Amino acid sequence: NAGVTQTPKFQVLKTGQSMTLQCAQDMNHEYMSWYRQDPGMGLRLIHYSVGAGITDQGEVPNGYNVSRSTTEDFPLRLLSAAPSQTSVYFCASSYRGGLETQYFGPGTRLLVL
Amino acid sequence: DAKTTQPTSMDCAEGRAANLPCNHSTISGNEYVYWYRQIHSQGPQYIIHGLKNNETNEMASLIITEDRKSSTLILPHATLRDTAVYYCIVSVSTGGGNKLTFGTGTQLKVEL
Repeated sequence: NAGVTQTPKFQVLKTGQSMTLQCAQDMNHEYMSWYRQDPGMGLRLIHYSVGAGITDQGEVPNGYNVSRSTTEDFPLRLLSAAPSQTSVYFCASSYRGGLETQYFGPGTRLLVL
Repeated sequence: DAKTTQPTSMDCAEGRAANLPCNHSTISGNEYVYWYRQIHSQGPQYIIHGLKNNETNEMASLIITEDRKSSTLILPHATLRDTAVYYCIVSVSTGGGNKLTFGTGTQLKVEL
C-alpha cells in the first residue's frame, strides 16, 4: 500500500490564484482530514470527511473548500489564495471507528506571495 | 476537548529512557490520551493511546495516573532517530471520527 499520498510537495502561488491540493489513500479508510501547520504551532484541523459525499468544517475552514466524491480522494481547494494561507498542509486518513489511528501524508508546503 | 500542557523541550542521552510528561487536569471520563510524534518536516506518526490503564506497544509505554490528570510517555531506549516533537492529545471519539487537536508539543532531542 502507498498509504496516504499528497501532491504537490511544494507550491508557490500569487495572491488571488486558485489551486487544489490533492490527497489520496489506498487503505479503504472512511475518515479523511486536512490540517495546516504554521511555524512554531501545532496542527489545526481545516475540514474533515466521515465518508464519501459527507464533509464538515474543522477549526479553521475559512478560505478552503473540500469535496469527497470517492472514498480514496479528498482534495482541498483554495479559491483565492492569501498570504495567510502560507503553511504546510497535511492530509490524514483513518478507518471507521473512533479509536483508529490516523495516518498522515508527507505534507504539501505552500507559499503564497 | 480538554487541553494539555507539555514541556517545550527535553534532552535525553542515547540508550537511556526518555520520559515525556503531559498534564491534562481537565480531562473528561470518556476522553482518551493519545501520543503522536513528528519527525522534522514529516507528517505526524501515531505512537500509543490509552484511557485508564497503562499501555505498552513496540514503540513505547504510556503511564496514566490514577486520577487521569497526567500521563507519561516512556521511550525505553531512546535512539537518535527518536529526536522529534512529541504531542500529547486528549480526545473523545465521536461519530465524526477523531478530530485531534494538536498543541505545540515537546521537542525531544536525543544526543550521543
